[in-house]
Amino acid sequence: DIQLTQSPSSLSASVGDRVTITCRASQTISTYLNWYQKKAGKVPRLLIYSASSLQSGVPSRFSGSGSGTDFTLTISSLQPEDFATYYCQKSYNTPYTFGQGTKVEIK
Amino acid sequence: QVQLVQSGAEVRKPGASVKVSCRSSGYTFTDYYIHWVRQAPGQGLEWMGRINPISGDTNYVQKFQGRVTMTRDTSITTAYMELSWLRSDDTALYYCAREDSREFFDFWGQGTLVTVSS
Repeated sequence: DIQLTQSPSSLSASVGDRVTITCRASQTISTYLNWYQKKAGKVPRLLIYSASSLQSGVPSRFSGSGSGTDFTLTISSLQPEDFATYYCQKSYNTPYTFGQGTKVEIK
Repeated sequence: QVQLVQSGAEVRKPGASVKVSCRSSGYTFTDYYIHWVRQAPGQGLEWMGRINPISGDTNYVQKFQGRVTMTRDTSITTAYMELSWLRSDDTALYYCAREDSREFFDFWGQGTLVTVSS
């Protein structure tokens, strides 16, 4: 099975900072890569699908890039409501594995 | 509007089984796969498997093979996930989610807490 490795596992940042999270697949997955935001007590929220497509209703400060094995989620200017844990997920063939998550905390 | 509504919290002893339901509304049930994802306390999201509501065909992650069974009842637009031989590390919040045709999860159930404790 294909594994997804996110880095860093956690980070501290300030409001207004640019934040970058990476996700590396153990084998090529083309652009079959999604990003979700998870807050405590809430269901996961889709941010980016197919590596770089912004889900409807998601603020434009979120962006995704990459293909093959290396992917990036960028938050251009961190807002207070963005403090959460972020997960990448592969699709196409099962299993639809998630990365281990990146926790974004307030500095 | 699309809704996935899950059954309520469950408490089980080790070795027992649990069956969680996920009732769908607001769309054509047979048009979308239903997936099951869990999150143990302090842990990340873990994909468990999916079911094709038309055929009933399933795909499970190897970790749960032999312990998990996903089924559906199209007459009541409900999907089920049964996990057997429960262990304490199966204590988690279990979610169902709908897979969009573009292969992402666009709608989620509210989650069902399963607690395994002697």
